[in-house]
Amino acid sequence: GAGVSQSPSNKVTEKGKDVELRCDPISGHTALYWYRQSLGQGLEFLIYFQGNSAPDKSGLPSDRFSAERTGGSVSTLTIQRTQQEDSAVYLCASSLYQGANYGYTFGSGTRLTVV
Amino acid sequence: GENVEQHPSTLSVQEGDSAVIKCTYSDSASNYFPWYKQELGKGPQLIIDIRSNVGEKKDQRIAVTLNKTAKHFSLHITETQPEDSAVYFCAAKSWGKSTFGDGTTLTVKP
Repeated sequence: GAGVSQSPSNKVTEKGKDVELRCDPISGHTALYWYRQSLGQGLEFLIYFQGNSAPDKSGLPSDRFSAERTGGSVSTLTIQRTQQEDSAVYLCASSLYQGANYGYTFGSGTRLTVV
Repeated sequence: GENVEQHPSTLSVQEGDSAVIKCTYSDSASNYFPWYKQELGKGPQLIIDIRSNVGEKKDQRIAVTLNKTAKHFSLHITETQPEDSAVYFCAAKSWGKSTFGDGTTLTVKP
């Protein structure tokens, strides 16, 4: 597609439920990133995928968070047993390549609210 | 790992004035420095970038400077307009992921 597409745009869930957030990157972009942005805060790195390489999971805050990328395209971020502190905007970005000199194209994000 | 500091956190200017946002980074291996603009309810958008073999880059009213020795880089916006009001993020990248500053909320008063 023309841009990075994220769904849903908004998600309200009850504490303890599992949620799945979807990201559809720009066609041909080999790198895909997930970041989290809490209200009024900066961008916290979660995980990134590059081609068929093992993902860099170093930013995942706990083992309740996981992500996969199928067929080198669409990615799903799963949060199990959601907690109130998980409330944030989850941003997905894609890049032509993971190397330096390649900037990101971000989606509009999924606003997650845990009640 | 990389650490990026950004100042100021908020900046208010009169329309037509200039705005400057500054960032420092810690990892000397970083060699790509993008700037992103985030409007309310949207994801950040890349507005300009600079690579480590370049000291300055300009695109119309925005410019970015880089001092690799001092490990700092800056965004300059001239002749500011109300539509420049947004949150601006700097970032540093060597390989893999970018590390972002905490953002600067720029308000341009008409």
